[in-house]
Amino acid sequence: DTEVTQTPKHLVMGMTNKKSLKCEQHMGHRAMYWYKQKAKKPPELMFVYSYEKLSINESVPSRFSPECPNSSLLNLHLHALQPEDSALYLCASSQASLVADTGELFFGEGSRLTVL
Amino acid sequence: QKEVEQNSGPLSVPEGAIASLNCTYSDRGSQSFFWYRQYSGKSPELIMSIYSNGDKEDGRFTAQLNKASQYVSLLIRDSQPSDSATYLCAVNSFSGNTPLVFGKGTRLSVIA
Repeated sequence: DTEVTQTPKHLVMGMTNKKSLKCEQHMGHRAMYWYKQKAKKPPELMFVYSYEKLSINESVPSRFSPECPNSSLLNLHLHALQPEDSALYLCASSQASLVADTGELFFGEGSRLTVL
Repeated sequence: QKEVEQNSGPLSVPEGAIASLNCTYSDRGSQSFFWYRQYSGKSPELIMSIYSNGDKEDGRFTAQLNKASQYVSLLIRDSQPSDSATYLCAVNSFSGNTPLVFGKGTRLSVIA
């Protein structure tokens, strides 16, 4: 069983909808990540939070808005998405220092998003 | 641009054989190296990490690192059909907040 929990597992939304993806971990990890993965492609980094602060934003369109309310929770707010945003959205966490990250990621099971 | 290269496969091996998965990386400053396994429709799972030159063994899995050649590999001994998955090589340079760089993955098929 994964120790990173993502909800919902599946989400279908229209282009005008607003929805959120949620992620929770209780491993005491201080770095949390959002990745996007299309079929037969590797995970593509979107955002990194380190100690609840946004440390990396990989030039993601503003229709994706991350939020880290506390060290255990990570949200991804979705608004005005396009059909090409349909993908598997993966949350991950890792132990982190302020200097460097271990690179050992623990992934949640993902949220499969379909935009109509 | 830091790059991690893998053959996309599919790599087909008979059950019981050794599967050899290879990965090269471009950043000489890379410090840590990981292999993730991803079953179809599932999320990636870390199976091996290696930080220094040489071999690291864990059960049927052996990771090999050669920093001079910028090459890392994963050997799977006594391959089982349950090993059929995509294997992602990932590299971390530890320079500041540089994120992990994933290769495109190699699809392994173990034939019973």
